[in-house]
Amino acid sequence: DAKTTQPTSMDCAEGRAANLPCNHSTISGNEYVYWYRQIHSQGPQYIIHGLKNNETNEMASLIITEDRKSSTLILPHATLRDTAVYYCIVRVGGTDSWGKLQFGAGTQVVVTP
Amino acid sequence: KAGVTQTPRYLIKTRGQQVTLSCSPISGHRSVSWYQQTPGQGLQFLFEYFSETQRNKGNFPGRFSGRQFSNSRSEMNVSTLELGDSALYLCASSLAGSAGGQYFGPGTRLTVT
Repeated sequence: DAKTTQPTSMDCAEGRAANLPCNHSTISGNEYVYWYRQIHSQGPQYIIHGLKNNETNEMASLIITEDRKSSTLILPHATLRDTAVYYCIVRVGGTDSWGKLQFGAGTQVVVTP
Repeated sequence: KAGVTQTPRYLIKTRGQQVTLSCSPISGHRSVSWYQQTPGQGLQFLFEYFSETQRNKGNFPGRFSGRQFSNSRSEMNVSTLELGDSALYLCASSLAGSAGGQYFGPGTRLTVT
């Protein structure tokens, strides 16, 4: 699976959009981009995933560049409850097993009042 | 649908003992992965099971083992516990053959004294 690079930390004002970047320059054509977040001492929470088209759900939007070498997770209206570590990972989709994944250090997002 | 459940939630053991942790995946999910999370090493992949077979294994010593039952429930075992095994152990399940996300349980907090 391709490696990803994320900033170590980001601050965001409550009510503003939070844009979290992720670089995955060695991504393969059949690898999807997944985003998770982890609030302190809880299990990671799946947010969204995509292959090449932009995706949106009730939690966030995922923008993947045309060359698929990077992506941005957008939290449209950040709240204090969005303070968490956000992980970007890539993996081959549609397989029976999830695979041996490396989560990396992620981005610590702090939403301030 | 009920989420991934893990038991017990908290556990205190002494060095040299062994421990068994249990994970019940989301109904219909046949892939189960285990992760260890410590402050120093972050989220590290332990192993993955699919259809009662270990599909992938992380870089952990043989003291860490697991198994999966025919109903997809999984257990992991750690023998001869060491202080460094104190961690949050997370289980995650996913739907085989799907590009969808992997869903995590709340974790078992193991403390070794």
